[in-house]
Amino acid sequence: QVQLVQSGAEVKKPGASVKVSCKASGYIFTNYALHWARQAPGQRLEWMGWLYTGNGNTKYSQKFQGRVTITRDTSASTAYMELSSLRSEDTAVYYCARDRDHYMDVWGKGTTVTVSS
Amino acid sequence: EIVLTQSPATLSLSPGERATLSCRASQSVSSYLAWYQQKPGQAPRLLIYDASNRATGIPARFSGSGSGTDFTLTISSLEPEDFAVYFCQQRSNWPLTFGQGTRLETK
Repeated sequence: QVQLVQSGAEVKKPGASVKVSCKASGYIFTNYALHWARQAPGQRLEWMGWLYTGNGNTKYSQKFQGRVTITRDTSASTAYMELSSLRSEDTAVYYCARDRDHYMDVWGKGTTVTVSS
Repeated sequence: EIVLTQSPATLSLSPGERATLSCRASQSVSSYLAWYQQKPGQAPRLLIYDASNRATGIPARFSGSGSGTDFTLTISSLEPEDFAVYFCQQRSNWPLTFGQGTRLETK
């Protein structure tokens, strides 16, 4: 079945970077774009960026521009989201989700990233 | 960016009752709005897209309506598995944005 499997939880120190992976299965990876979004404790979901898996083009939220990089490895059907210069406010659950006309029709289970000194 | 405001924050109902959830946009999003369901510890599930179209496999008791700035998700007769958090999302403008969610709880 169609699924997105994300990497495990991470604990990082302020100033560090984190890279979260999202492995797709059950469909042709390059036929669908992928989104990344996050949800901090008690906050609403926040869209971070979008990857066109076919050619690697990306679009980022201005809020994260300069700190986020979304890439893919088509041979592994895997997308990656790297967030740098981490601060405590980046503590959140990070999700990847398959694009359907800029909605999100299949989601990963989420990766918890904790930023703490 | 477009701000989506959902109401109520919490809705307490019993199985079999009708649920009506609201999502209001800070500016028109035409019909470019989706609804999702999220249960604790689970990934969100797409229910409705383009305001009124049910996603694949979504039961007919879920329906969406509205356009412009005011949208409604209706669950006609609540089943026990429907108690969850519901949130809306717009795709009219970048960045994509989400509502803060409505918690549907058992009365």
